[in-house]
Amino acid sequence: AQKVTQAQTEISVVEKEDVTLDCVYETRDTTYYLFWYKQPPSGELVFLIRRNSFDEQNEISGRYSWNFQKSTSSFNFTITASQVVDSAVYFCALSDLDNTDKLIFGTGTRLQVFP
Amino acid sequence: GAGVSQSPRYKVAKRGQDVALRCDPISGHVSLFWYQQALGQGPEFLTYFQNEAQLDKSGLPSDRFFAERPEGSVSTLKIQRTQQEDSAVYLCASSLSRLADEQYFGPGTRLTVT
Repeated sequence: AQKVTQAQTEISVVEKEDVTLDCVYETRDTTYYLFWYKQPPSGELVFLIRRNSFDEQNEISGRYSWNFQKSTSSFNFTITASQVVDSAVYFCALSDLDNTDKLIFGTGTRLQVFP
Repeated sequence: GAGVSQSPRYKVAKRGQDVALRCDPISGHVSLFWYQQALGQGPEFLTYFQNEAQLDKSGLPSDRFFAERPEGSVSTLKIQRTQQEDSAVYLCASSLSRLADEQYFGPGTRLTVT
């Protein structure tokens, strides 16, 4: 069965701290895609990144970076020098390519950044 | 350009009432998904359309839930005889095509059944 686990329910940091959000996934597929979405208080899910299973290169986009490790089935997300505007719930998701490309989400990590 | 829109944004229904939730996907997007998000949880898949064809409805929790996309654009999720456990945010997402394209989400409809 496919599953995404985000063990951290809530993380609180002070502005300018670095923070890493963990994501562990389970799948039997050899080809799959992983995603991160941000859900700010307004409620709308915002796409952050998509990564396919054949590309294990780490990616950096501004203050955001992602560490994909197939050996440990993890796809962790780091925010460098966090800001108050980063406060949101962050979801990791796995794409079910077998059927419909539906996304299988983790339970989310609520990040609170205090000034 | 316009994103995914959903209406109404909030809906309060008395137990037993029928409700209809509307989703307007991004123009030209082939794939359309409905998800249900309970408080404090991640979204859970309900159903999927490719154009007007409903290819997967495995996530619909009961036969009280019905979805359609008759012309391959706007979609409606209907819930008959609402129950309290149906209270949740219903999210619609669209993507350009298959192959795990990025899904663009609407703001959701928050349904409260009293």
